[in-house]
Amino acid sequence: GAVVSQHPSRVICKSGTSVKIECRSLDFQATTMFWYRQFPKQSLMLMATSNEGSKATYEQGVEKDKFLINHASLTLSTLTVTSAHPEDSSFYICSARGVLQGTGTDTQYFGPGTRLTVL
Amino acid sequence: GDSVTQMEGPVTLSEEAFLTINCTYTATGYPSLFWYVQYPGEGLQLLLKATKADDKGSNKGFEATYRKETTSFHLEKGSVQVSDSAVYFCALIQGSNYKLTFGKGTLLTVNP
Repeated sequence: GAVVSQHPSRVICKSGTSVKIECRSLDFQATTMFWYRQFPKQSLMLMATSNEGSKATYEQGVEKDKFLINHASLTLSTLTVTSAHPEDSSFYICSARGVLQGTGTDTQYFGPGTRLTVL
Repeated sequence: GDSVTQMEGPVTLSEEAFLTINCTYTATGYPSLFWYVQYPGEGLQLLLKATKADDKGSNKGFEATYRKETTSFHLEKGSVQVSDSAVYFCALIQGSNYKLTFGKGTLLTVNP
């Protein structure tokens, strides 16, 4: 079964509004969570890395005031797209790094993604 | 910077055909290499990995060998099934920060 969930799976919003996407690790504590953006027929682009209780580290070219990341607990990270515009429409994917019980290995698990459409 | 180049799709095969998806990388050090698979409507799943030169990763009939001399990590499967239809991503990690660099993905469709 899924070990990382994302909510919502799809969201459509009007230009200028803010949208929050949640990423949860299920059954394990994530030491680090990552947020990616995927354009059609393009690879996943890392946006930021977040560790619980500290500020996120953003990749070059990613606006930190535009994409707010909060890693509130070891099982939850949120990405808020502020004042969304049509060019923010994309597929956003999170991943969580941790040790899943019973595996004994430190692995990165991916969420199913969130399709954001800004009208 | 680090980069991953994989063959562009889509790739369409008949069931039981042989599959190769090429992947080459550019990295300054000695990265770990991965293949991820994304089935329709699902998140990425780790398919296999290799952490050093000449290592062979294998899973579910898929194999890939870490070739340092050709900086390649080609994915192969001897006999594909309809259930293998998915998007396949080649990726690397450099160092211990767990930041993945992905290729663009290759869509594989297997017809009965």
